[in-house]
Amino acid sequence: AQTVTQSQPEMSVQEAETVTLSCTYDTSESDYYLFWYKQPPSRQMILVIRQEAYKQQNATENRFSVNFQKAAKSFSLKISDSQLGDAAMYFCAYRSGGSNYKLTFGKGTLLTVNP
Amino acid sequence: DAGVIQSPRHEVTEMGQEVTLRCKPISGHDYLFWYRQTMMRGLELLIYFNNNVPIDDSGMPEDRFSAKMPNASFSTLKIQPSEPRDSAVYFCASSPTGGAYNSPLHFGNGTRLTVT
Repeated sequence: AQTVTQSQPEMSVQEAETVTLSCTYDTSESDYYLFWYKQPPSRQMILVIRQEAYKQQNATENRFSVNFQKAAKSFSLKISDSQLGDAAMYFCAYRSGGSNYKLTFGKGTLLTVNP
Repeated sequence: DAGVIQSPRHEVTEMGQEVTLRCKPISGHDYLFWYRQTMMRGLELLIYFNNNVPIDDSGMPEDRFSAKMPNASFSTLKIQPSEPRDSAVYFCASSPTGGAYNSPLHFGNGTRLTVT
């Protein structure tokens, strides 16, 4: 079974600075997808960014980018120019590339943004 | 697009009572998922459906939990009888068919269940 590990229960960053959240996963599959979701205090789960394993190019969405290292099974999230609204719990998630659509989540990293 | 709609948003009940959580997926989405979130265990998949048919229910904790999807626009998760350890936030999510890049999960706002 696939597992997703987020080794940082909590992180903090100063407003306008850059922060990187770590995620590693364990799988024997070659075809899969990786996601970062954000959960603010409102409880809503919001998709931040996604990466297809067969793509070598790292995904980017505005201030959010990933460092995908397939051989190392690492998928870190970088947030640039951090804003107060970025404060939330961040979850890394894995999905197989086949017909199994379920997501396996890490335990999450709580990000605090200091003004 | 109204998004995934869950009801109620909060539910407080006494141990032993029956609890029913409801979900309306996004129209046109073929997949529906029920997740449970707790501090100790994080986000756990309970069950998911494809075209109203249960595909994987291996995450359902025990026989006290049951889920149904009578049609494409409605699903329920029932707990009978409820126990204090069932206290958690229950999320419903839906997804269209297709590659994961084009079909990420869309989550509802969750139901916070408290069993006293």
